[in-house]
Order: sequence, then structure tokens, then C-alpha cells
Amino acid sequence: AQTVTQSQPEMSVQEAETVTLSCTYDTSESNYYLFWYKQPPSRQMILVIRQEAYKQQNATENRFSVNFQKAAKSFSLKISDSQLGDTAMYFCAFMKRNAGNMLTFGGGTRLMVKP
Amino acid sequence: DSGVTQTPKHLITATGQRVTLRCSPRSGDLSVYWYQQSLDQGLQFLIQYYNGEERAKGNILERFSAQQFPDLHSELNLSSLELGDSALYFCASSARGNSGNTIYFGEGSWLTVV
Repeated sequence: AQTVTQSQPEMSVQEAETVTLSCTYDTSESNYYLFWYKQPPSRQMILVIRQEAYKQQNATENRFSVNFQKAAKSFSLKISDSQLGDTAMYFCAFMKRNAGNMLTFGGGTRLMVKP
Repeated sequence: DSGVTQTPKHLITATGQRVTLRCSPRSGDLSVYWYQQSLDQGLQFLIQYYNGEERAKGNILERFSAQQFPDLHSELNLSSLELGDSALYFCASSARGNSGNTIYFGEGSWLTVV
């Protein structure tokens, strides 16, 4: 079974600064997908970014980028130019390839962006 | 707005009761998923349906059941409710049930069991 660990329960960052959220995972699979989801106070789960494990290039979506280290089984999320609207819970998630579409989530990191 | 619609948004019920949560997937999506988010267990996968058939099952209790109808909407039935069933229940959908398809979540149904 896969496990996903987010070691930072809470983090804070000043508006306009950069913050990095950590995620590690444990799997024996070689092909898989990794995701970051954002859950703002509204509770909706919003996809932030996804990474395919067979791609070496790190995914980027505007101010959000990842540092994917496959050998280390690490998948961190970097948020640049943090905005107040980035305040939310952030969940790292794992999905095996060719085994359905189930997500295994980490415990989440609560990010507070301060003005 | 993800396009996934869940009703009701909030529900309060008593222990021992039965409730039904409803989900309409995004237009064109064939696969529906149910997840439970609780303080104790975090976010857990419950069950997946694809085009009306059960595709995968996770940590779903025997007191819980789900189905996907021909029009692709899905219902999650929770029976003999216990206090510990209080949680946010998410429905999600994807175009197909294949691995790698992006999963879009609804806003969730808050269930409080008193």
C-alpha cells in the first residue's frame, strides 16, 4: 500500500514571498502520478498541479511549481509571490498508474498567508 | 466551479438513521468517486463507479453503499449512522476510470450525526 506523508501540519508566509510545502511518499510502484490539491475555507478540493512520474521535468502552473525527486520519493510544492487567496489546506496525493484512478492523500498542510 | 454537483450541502441526522447523498458528475464524465474527510481519518477513498458499474472499493463500511445510475448520477447511502460517521463526504468525477485522469471534486456534503 502507498503512504503519503506531509510533515508540516502548519506553515505561514508573508504575502508576496515564496513558500515550499513538503511531501514524501512510499511506494514500490515505478509508474504513478502525484498531485497537489488545495482546500480553501470553502472546503472545495481544487487541483493545483499534477506530475507524471515518468516525466523528469518538474510541473509548473503559473505561480505553483513542484520539485519532484523520484529517487528520494519527494514531491514538494513551491508557491511563489504568495497571495492572500492561497490561504488553505494543501494536500499531496498519490495515484498508481494502470490501477484505477484512486487517490491516496497525505494529512495536509495548513498554509496561512499573512498580509 | 468544478462542475460536480452534490446535494445536500449540509445534513444533520440522529444516530441509527439512514441518509442518501446525491452526486451529479461533470458533463461527459463516466467515472464517479466517493471520498470521506474526517478529523480522525483524513481524506479516504470509499468507492468508484464507472459507467454504472463498481470499479474499485476502498475503506467503505458495510453500512454504506453506493450506486451509479444510467444517467451517471450517483448516490451514497449511509445507514445505521453512528457519531463517528460525521464527516465531509466528497463526490468526484473524471472522464474515464483510467489512471491519470484528472479528478474533479464537488463541494462536499457535510454530515453531522447527533
